[in-house]
Amino acid sequence: EVLLVESGGGLVKPGGSVRLSCAASGFTFSSYHMNWVRQAPGKGLEWVSSLSSNTGFIYHADSLKARITISRDNAKNSLYLKVSDLRAEDTAVYYCARSWAATDAFDVWGQGTVVTVSS
Amino acid sequence: SFVLTQPPSMSVAPGQTATITCGGNNIGSKSVHWYQQRPDQAPRLVVFDDVDRPSGIPERFSGSNSDNTATLTISRVEAVDEADYYCQVWDSSDDHSVFGGGTKLTVL
Repeated sequence: EVLLVESGGGLVKPGGSVRLSCAASGFTFSSYHMNWVRQAPGKGLEWVSSLSSNTGFIYHADSLKARITISRDNAKNSLYLKVSDLRAEDTAVYYCARSWAATDAFDVWGQGTVVTVSS
Repeated sequence: SFVLTQPPSMSVAPGQTATITCGGNNIGSKSVHWYQQRPDQAPRLVVFDDVDRPSGIPERFSGSNSDNTATLTISRVEAVDEADYYCQVWDSSDDHSVFGGGTKLTVL
């Protein structure tokens, strides 16, 4: 079964940082482009960042690019997202999703991990 | 940056057809993907590359894309189709992925 499982969310104070993980199984992780998408409470989907299979290409949303780092470890079948200088507006469910290329659809999604930024 | 415009909400009776639009400047030149998100669930891909369906998606779901509007059509709507629907494209001018604001479909 193809699975993506996010972890690392929780309650974080403003100004802090969080490192999210996404564990992949059931497919050849190293062959796929990977993505992060977030969804604030009651809001729509917001693309955050994308990373090519060999880490050669990285793309970030303009609103976040100064504060985020996306990375992957193909040996561990894992994707990561670090968000720094957290603000209340970063409170959201963070999803990882798979695509064949940056231009392609996100065909597999994880269940999401919740990040809450509050003092 | 590229903007995708969706109606915030729409309602349809069971058995009828729902047509959800996604507007964007010359969107017909891009590949459009559509996602369904039921309450408290992760998004699920229902149409990719304008018109294709992933395996397991009913034939009732279809897509089209031309000029400035892409459309997701759900025929013979069922109660289980009640969800939020999002369109998405890749904007090659700035190498960003873009989602529409989403459309909440209510089945009466």
